[in-house]
Amino acid sequence: KAGVTQTPRYLIKTRGQQVTLSCSPISGHRSVSWYQQTPGQGLQFLFEYFSETQRNKGNFPGRFSGRQFSNSRSEMNVSTLELGDSALYLCASGLGHSTDTQYFGPGTRLTVL
Amino acid sequence: GIQVEQSPPDLILQEGANSTLRCNFSDSVNNLQWFHQNPWGQLINLFYIPSGTKQNGRLSATTVATERYSLLYISSSQTTDSGVYFCAVPREAGGTSYGKLTFGQGTILTVHP
Repeated sequence: KAGVTQTPRYLIKTRGQQVTLSCSPISGHRSVSWYQQTPGQGLQFLFEYFSETQRNKGNFPGRFSGRQFSNSRSEMNVSTLELGDSALYLCASGLGHSTDTQYFGPGTRLTVL
Repeated sequence: GIQVEQSPPDLILQEGANSTLRCNFSDSVNNLQWFHQNPWGQLINLFYIPSGTKQNGRLSATTVATERYSLLYISSSQTTDSGVYFCAVPREAGGTSYGKLTFGQGTILTVHP
């Protein structure tokens, strides 16, 4: 079974631009979660989608948004990029239960100049 | 939300040595995972262990849920074990933290040949 895939793997943007990241979960998984990892803040939860609905949201500004499609693939969008948005963005997939094992993708490394 | 503390923050070993990593959490949990983050940033699942003991080759883990801690044991360490080890638990108690994990700050393990 293929693992979680994320595209693109690397991205360089400038301040003020917007960016869209994509995540394809493991086949059969209906939950996709997104995390931001920075050296200063560690791994922080962004949001979780299940069956095209956002079920949980972390403490990030509204510039961070996401969506999930009927095939469970998910995208996250960051608008009006700031230097502090430079980070590794990781997505995880699971079956959708609170006791799930979460499986992570390889991440997208975003650099904002 | 549930707080997670990992210790030690850094660990330097010679190849062949054994080590114990600790994860303390502040509330009862129904989900606890250990991950290894490789140099390219991907989080690799090691154990799903909300309670009890599991072993996988040179690695084993024990979670004592009633005392709110988990231990990860690495025996006969190898240079390929280097990286960051994270434990993660649901963000809140109560079983509604779907895909919403809180991570510890990690233990950076360096194994020298």
